[in-house]
Amino acid sequence: QKEVEQNSGPLSVPEGAIASLNCTYSDRGSQSFFWYRQYSGKSPELIMFIYSNGDKEDGRFTAQLNKASQYVSLLIRDSQPSDSATYLCAVTGANSKLTFGKGITLSVRP
Amino acid sequence: IAGITQAPTSQILAAGRRMTLRCTQDMRHNAMYWYRQDLGLGLRLIHYSNTAGTTGKGEVPDGYSVSRANTDDFPLTLASAVPSQTSVYFCARDRGTAGNTIYFGEGSWLTVV
Repeated sequence: QKEVEQNSGPLSVPEGAIASLNCTYSDRGSQSFFWYRQYSGKSPELIMFIYSNGDKEDGRFTAQLNKASQYVSLLIRDSQPSDSATYLCAVTGANSKLTFGKGITLSVRP
Repeated sequence: IAGITQAPTSQILAAGRRMTLRCTQDMRHNAMYWYRQDLGLGLRLIHYSNTAGTTGKGEVPDGYSVSRANTDDFPLTLASAVPSQTSVYFCARDRGTAGNTIYFGEGSWLTVV
């Protein structure tokens, strides 16, 4: 069973802080890695994807991938109350199908 | 940006009834998917279709069937609904190539009583 694990939440950070969201995966053949954000009652929306080891930055978001250690993380700098949501890690295995983690709920305190 | 429409948005259904959730895309993408999302269990793949005319089973296919008669439509059918199928159902699409990103529809909230 290919698994994607996200550290248990919820996670609460003050406004302006860095939020760090972590995810590990079990399938060493995984090729693509995604972070989705889901607001309550809404559908998941893609915010970041990363394919290669290292960091990928997009505005306040940075995705980090370490294939040797089988983890992918998402950093949110200067966190805003509007970042309060559930964040889903997703991994594409060798079968090209996405497996999702259960998500972690982030709360940014004003 | 989603380019994918689901219907109905929500539905209350009596156990034992047949129900079809509709999904239509306007992006002409090859691959389409049905997920269900449950509290504590996350998003789980029910069925998928890599291209028109083909379908495959995901992680939790039992009690569900799909068809892909053309590129745009991918309906999900519950032949005889049971309360454990109470969930929110998301249809999704992508180009079907490796590493491509999936985009979700707005979801269908289904309650089976």
